[in-house]
Amino acid sequence: QKEVEQDPGPLSVPEGAIVSLNCTYSNSAFQYFMWYRQYSRKGPELLMYTYSSGNKEDGRFTAQVDKSSKYISLFIRDSQPSDSATYLCAMSASDDMRFGAGTRLTVKP
Amino acid sequence: ETGVTQSPTHLIKTRGQQVTLRCSSQSGHNTVSWYQQALGQGPQFIFQYYREEENGRGNFPPRFSGLQFPNYSSELNVNALELDDSALYLCASSPGTALSRNEQFFGPGTRLTVL
Repeated sequence: QKEVEQDPGPLSVPEGAIVSLNCTYSNSAFQYFMWYRQYSRKGPELLMYTYSSGNKEDGRFTAQVDKSSKYISLFIRDSQPSDSATYLCAMSASDDMRFGAGTRLTVKP
Repeated sequence: ETGVTQSPTHLIKTRGQQVTLRCSSQSGHNTVSWYQQALGQGPQFIFQYYREEENGRGNFPPRFSGLQFPNYSSELNVNALELDDSALYLCASSPGTALSRNEQFFGPGTRLTVL
């Protein structure tokens, strides 16, 4: 079992849809949870960063962390074609950082 | 303020050769981390450098080595290249030492192909 599992997708939605991206993990020591967006031929770009359980909202993006279930989510409201990218979850404890394999999202106009 | 830059953008090598990849960190950042991203996978942590010293290492063999210079730029060296080393190599810089506590800014990566 991988330490971080991410729904592989690909995911295709119409413009304006609400998108839900999810990851599960096995290491209960993880305390920091991140979501990155990676466009084709680019490096990952940090979208959201949360510490421990709870919700965090930033514009159209909401990150949720449920440590008891070892489950994290990223919600994108009013999705736009420019949101089309691969989304990577990441989590860390101390000096160890692990990424999910990424979910490829396409938002169709 | 300039972002993280990496060179070269693409590189083709043959098995057994050695390669050096370069990274310039974002202005004001003293920590550089290197990642390997295989096709269709998430980045895997190779190692981190802070003030010219290795400060954390992932599960990669010793033929992966690095350097950080006084201006905080960094090099990743890979010896005895293997076919499985073909990947996108990402450099990320951050203003502090802990991977988890600081915002990392990634460069665009170097695409290495080993034939």
